[in-house]
Amino acid sequence: GENVEQHPSTLSVQEGDSAVIKCTYSDSASNYFPWYKQELGKGPQLIIDIRSNVGEKKDQRIAVTLNKTAKHFSLHITETQPEDSAVYFCAASSPLYGNKLVFGAGTILRVKS
Amino acid sequence: DVKVTQSSRYLVKRTGEKVFLECVQDMDHENMFWYRQDPGLGLRLIYFSYDVKMKEKGDIPEGYSVSREKKERFSLILESASTNQTSMYLCASSLRYSEAFFGQGTRLTVV
Repeated sequence: GENVEQHPSTLSVQEGDSAVIKCTYSDSASNYFPWYKQELGKGPQLIIDIRSNVGEKKDQRIAVTLNKTAKHFSLHITETQPEDSAVYFCAASSPLYGNKLVFGAGTILRVKS
Repeated sequence: DVKVTQSSRYLVKRTGEKVFLECVQDMDHENMFWYRQDPGLGLRLIYFSYDVKMKEKGDIPEGYSVSREKKERFSLILESASTNQTSMYLCASSLRYSEAFFGQGTRLTVV
């Protein structure tokens, strides 16, 4: 089945700097790649997603890039703010496995003000 | 707004008890999922269901079962709770090829 690896496990940045989180996946048939943000005491919430027919997607300060050949995708957050501090999860899903989401282990992002 | 509601935020149960975790969604989603979240391990899929009375095992189904008698409700059952099932449990729902929406989670402690 699908396997998703996520790096780094923790990331500390200064307010205003950029943050990048990277994920690799194993199943070349995977075609949907969402990113979730989880704040303390809450369930994960979708912040951005990308499908395999697109190489990049941007939403204000957040962008995701996908390299299908290398089987990796990345989350980029620019001009980080303290409220960006949270746990971020990447995920991948493949039509071969019922479109269930397989998650990475998560990245704890701390934005220092 | 999509709402996924889990019946309890915190639960404490004794070893050997039968435990029911309930999840309800209000958006007529076909898919429903139960994940377990442990530090450093991310979210691991226990079971999922793509239709009423349909279920499929995820990556860690041992010690768990599920029930989906109605489209909006998906229950996770721990047949005989053990201490290694102490964890955060997250329910999610989605349309067939779309994003998943999560509940707020149930933190289960088995003593």
